Amino acid sequence: NAGVMQNPRHLVRRRGQEARLRCSPMKGHSHVYWYRQLPEEGLKFMVYLQKENIIDESGMPKERFSAEFPKEGPSILRIQQVVRGDSAAYFCASSLLITNTDTQYFGPGTRLTVL
Amino acid sequence: DAKTTQPNSMESNEEEPVHLPCNHSTISGTDYIHWYRQLPSQGPEYVIHGLTSNVNNRMASLAIAEDRKSSTLILHRATLRDAAVYYCIPGGLNAGGTSYGKLTFGQGTILTVHP
Repeated sequence: NAGVMQNPRHLVRRRGQEARLRCSPMKGHSHVYWYRQLPEEGLKFMVYLQKENIIDESGMPKERFSAEFPKEGPSILRIQQVVRGDSAAYFCASSLLITNTDTQYFGPGTRLTVL
Repeated sequence: DAKTTQPNSMESNEEEPVHLPCNHSTISGTDYIHWYRQLPSQGPEYVIHGLTSNVNNRMASLAIAEDRKSSTLILHRATLRDAAVYYCIPGGLNAGGTSYGKLTFGQGTILTVHP
């Protein structure tokens, strides 16, 4: 069973461009989470999605960031008009169930660099 | 979310046991205690979780205090591959009574393993 896949692994954008980060959850998992790790900082929750629904976006910046998890295909985290402060590692995780015991499986991350 | 306190860093020698403590004095009765770790340049990975009883798996053991206000992750024989940041994360039902698995990462403990 393949693990959580993220692509690209590294992404370089210039200020003002758009960044699209993709996440394919583990097979059979319908719950996806995005986390961001700024340089020298800890991991911060951004958004939790189920298929076609955003369940919790309390950690998402109010502007320029959006996420989706369509019925078919990977989950997408989109950052419009990137700024240098968006440079970070973005991790996606998936889980099979939503309980207080379920394990989240993380992908290898996408490292975004904004020039 | 329950607040956690972990040492900023710990050191160990290879093949020696390591005890990583965590205080979570505000943990609720339904929260499980999850441990994840993040190896350098990788996404976090699940280590172990428990509620009240001590738990063992192939990676580690988890000793939970009787009052549940603290726990200790035990690596029985540290290897160089165990060098990582270890996160203790209480998790469980949110205030609305709907369980979901958002993980709130603290600063964690940086474990250094010496050959």
